[in-house]
Amino acid sequence: DAGITQSPRHKVTETGTPVTLRCHQTENHRYMYWYRQDPGHGLRLIHYSYGVKDTDKGEVSDGYSVSRSKTEDFLLTLESATSSQTSVYFCATGASRDYEQYFGPGTRLTVT
Amino acid sequence: KQEVTQIPAALSVPEGENLVLNCSFTDSAIYNLQWFRQDPGKGLTSLLLIQSSQREQTSGRLNASLDKSSGRSTLYIAASQPGDSATYLCAVLNAGNMLTFGGGTRLMVKP
Repeated sequence: DAGITQSPRHKVTETGTPVTLRCHQTENHRYMYWYRQDPGHGLRLIHYSYGVKDTDKGEVSDGYSVSRSKTEDFLLTLESATSSQTSVYFCATGASRDYEQYFGPGTRLTVT
Repeated sequence: KQEVTQIPAALSVPEGENLVLNCSFTDSAIYNLQWFRQDPGKGLTSLLLIQSSQREQTSGRLNASLDKSSGRSTLYIAASQPGDSATYLCAVLNAGNMLTFGGGTRLMVKP
C-alpha cells in the first residue's frame, strides 16, 4: 500500500454542520482521489487532484469541496452535511493517471 | 456513460477449487482495468492492473485477462483458499481520470 492514512476514521455529525476529512500520503504520488461507497451504488468518484492546487470534479461532486495545499494532503469538506452524505469515504492515490490507485482505510461518516 | 457489471454477485466454493470472476464494461475506450480485493470494513487492496494494450497480468495464484474489444475481463483464482474470501471489485479507467467500478463479487471459500 501507498502509506495512506485517513482521519478521522469514524465521525458522527449533525445535519447542517461542516465536516472536513483528511487524507495523508507518504509516497509523493501526484494524483489523489476521494470516493464514496454506498450499498447499491458501489464506489463513486467525488473529486480528484492532479497536483498541488489542481483539482477537478468527479461523478458526485455536489455538496463537496476539496483542497490540496501540499503534495501529501488532500482535504474533503462537506460544506453543510446532509443525511444523504452518510457514507464510507475512501481516499486513493496514484503516481500517474494510468497507474494503479492505492486506497486508504476509509472514514465512516454518519450524518444524523 | 461507462457501466461496469460483475457476475456473479456472490459465489461460494469449497477450498481448492479454481474459479473465474467476470467483469464486463460497455465502453471499450479504456486506459486500463484494475482488480481490487475488499475485506469487510476495510479499504481496497489492489490486486492487478492491466493496461489497455495488454492482454493479461499474473500475480501468484491470480491471473487477469482483458479483451477490450468485447468489453470483458476475467479474474482467475487458482487453488482457492479460505483466506481468499472477500469482495472482488473491477474498475476501468476512462478519459476524465475517473475509475468506474463494478458492483463486486462476494466470494466465500469454505474449508
